[in-house]
Amino acid sequence: DVKVTQSSRYLVKRTGEKVFLECVQDMDHENMFWYRQDPGLGLRLIYFSYDVKMKEKGDIPEGYSVSREKKERFSLILESASTNQTSMYLCASSLWGRFNQPQHFGDGTRLSIL
Amino acid sequence: AQTVTQSQPEMSVQEAETVTLSCTYDTSENNYYLFWYKQPPSRQMILVIRQEAYKQQNATENRFSVNFQKAAKSFSLKISDSQLGDTAMYFCAFMKTGANSKLTFGKGITLSVRP
Repeated sequence: DVKVTQSSRYLVKRTGEKVFLECVQDMDHENMFWYRQDPGLGLRLIYFSYDVKMKEKGDIPEGYSVSREKKERFSLILESASTNQTSMYLCASSLWGRFNQPQHFGDGTRLSIL
Repeated sequence: AQTVTQSQPEMSVQEAETVTLSCTYDTSENNYYLFWYKQPPSRQMILVIRQEAYKQQNATENRFSVNFQKAAKSFSLKISDSQLGDTAMYFCAFMKTGANSKLTFGKGITLSVRP
């Protein structure tokens, strides 16, 4: 089974801090994604990556950046955390080029910015 | 751009009964994929069922089946013989064909199964 591991289930940070959310997958998937999930808004795509050192903006990239130095790891960075970034963050991965292959999700990180 | 609409925020069903969750979408694409994902209270999202738009036959997976109406751009999920473990948030999602396509999700619906 595919395993997508997010480094923290819960995280509390202060405004202005630089925050790193880490995601690792163990199935050699090319595609990796970061979403945020908010009540009443569903899942919104922040950034995604189709290959090492490659990244593309999703629907809500403002205030975030990403890093993919190795195929299995995709990091989400909040450069200067703000209270409106308090949310649930979900990482996902999938095979490249397989059109109907599902995305596999991690357990999520509930991030609170105080 | 594609949009996915789940107009019902919450639903409730008695155990062993059947429930249908609605989803509509808007796209100008002819070939695409549709998915239903389930997120139980433990939070990990898992795939329930998928449908290829070029297939006329509705997908089924055990107690889960879809009613795919391409012309109406409707993609509802039917859960038969509801079980307590079906309690979860359910998300409808759309994906264009293409190697690097991404998912567009609806806002989700919270389903509660009553004992």
